[in-house]
Amino acid sequence: QVQLQESGPGLVKPSQTLSLTCTVSGGSVSSGSYYWSWIRQPAGKGLEWIGRIYTSGSTNYNPSLKSRVTISVDTSKNQFSLKLSSVTAADTAVYYCAREAPYSGTQHWGQGTLVTVSS
Amino acid sequence: QSVLTQPPSVSGAPGQRVTISCTGSSSNIGARYDVHWYQQLPGTAPKLLIYGNSNRPSGVPDRFSGSKSGTSASLAITGLQAEDEADYYCQSYDSSLSGFYVFGTGTKVTVL
Repeated sequence: QVQLQESGPGLVKPSQTLSLTCTVSGGSVSSGSYYWSWIRQPAGKGLEWIGRIYTSGSTNYNPSLKSRVTISVDTSKNQFSLKLSSVTAADTAVYYCAREAPYSGTQHWGQGTLVTVSS
Repeated sequence: QSVLTQPPSVSGAPGQRVTISCTGSSSNIGARYDVHWYQQLPGTAPKLLIYGNSNRPSGVPDRFSGSKSGTSASLAITGLQAEDEADYYCQSYDSSLSGFYVFGTGTKVTVL
């Protein structure tokens, strides 16, 4: 059973870059036909899809975040990561990493990690 | 920013049937992209409830069902139980602006 775990700083200063890593166990980020995704949720609000990277390395990003987002994979560590630049308080949220199977939805999620943007 | 609209809340007594609508447009649900549904209990990560419009992952009770027609989709919960009290989100792909996934606005289900 694949498991995902987010890690990274819980506090980021405004204008800096938010960096998170998702460690995958029970499966490989480089095999199979899967999308590795990032989703976030501000406190008390709904889910926002940030973007995803396919096993092949191709990426899709939310247009509203595209200019600030980079998702990449590190096959040697079986991890994928999220970088969000020029953050503001509006980027404060719980960030989830997840695995999506084509046409089958996102079945595997990390537990989520809270990132607060504040000076 | 969401392009998928859901009612903010629905409620029902135990044993009743409730439905949650998810209204999109010709660039997402109406473009025949699949709709997925998620259940989120307080303080937990979302759980996939329905995929591909109407399919249930293993372990999801058959009290939950999904359907799609035109530019809208629906999630139905029959035989409502106290444990079903949660937030529910639809999700679909949108082909505008080079393509991206989008979640619905979310619906809080309250069991009376």
